[in-house]
Amino acid sequence: AQSVTQLDSHVSVSEGTPVLLRCNYSSSYSPSLFWYVQHPNKGLQLLLKYTSAATLVKGINGFEAEFKKSETSFHLTKPSAHMSDAAEYFCVVSDWASGTYKYIFGTGTRLKVLA
Amino acid sequence: SAVISQKPSRDICQRGTSLTIQCQVDSQVTMMFWYRQQPGQSLTLIATANQGSEATYESGFVIDKFPISRPNLTFSTLTVSNMSPEDSSIYLCSADLTDTQYFGPGTRLTVL
Repeated sequence: AQSVTQLDSHVSVSEGTPVLLRCNYSSSYSPSLFWYVQHPNKGLQLLLKYTSAATLVKGINGFEAEFKKSETSFHLTKPSAHMSDAAEYFCVVSDWASGTYKYIFGTGTRLKVLA
Repeated sequence: SAVISQKPSRDICQRGTSLTIQCQVDSQVTMMFWYRQQPGQSLTLIATANQGSEATYESGFVIDKFPISRPNLTFSTLTVSNMSPEDSSIYLCSADLTDTQYFGPGTRLTVL
């Protein structure tokens, strides 16, 4: 079965410094992986998606993620944090087990950006 | 991408009553999903709603408590029945387009 593990429940960075949000996955086949962001009292917004094309995926708002099969990782990065990046981030793997399709969510990482 | 709207955005309800949440998609989709999100937690899938078939419920969720309708390719409803304070949560719908889910803004439900 597919699964994702977000290694940090909380991450704090200073504005202008790099962001790293870590995600490891478990998959029996080539997975589709996603990062979503949820701002307070909002729905989930798709940041980026990996589907076995380029291993480095560029998303919106300057975020990118690199798929590393050898490490089963899909970490999210951004070179320079902005105050508006403060939010909850979810790593997701899509699962087609038993012919049905569903998302498997990580537990989320809350990003705090300090002025 | 898809734009998803939900109504109501929030509600406060009395225990024992029911609330129906509506989800509208701006394009035709086969698969829609309903999730529950407790404060500060991740999303839990309630059910998958495919147009033209009965909804498929996840373990711990039953049709009598969370009946779902899917009358066409752009619309779905979730009813939270016979509510108790434990049903207080955020309910989100999503729609699948090319194996990517797009989410509505959520409905914040408080049961007193």
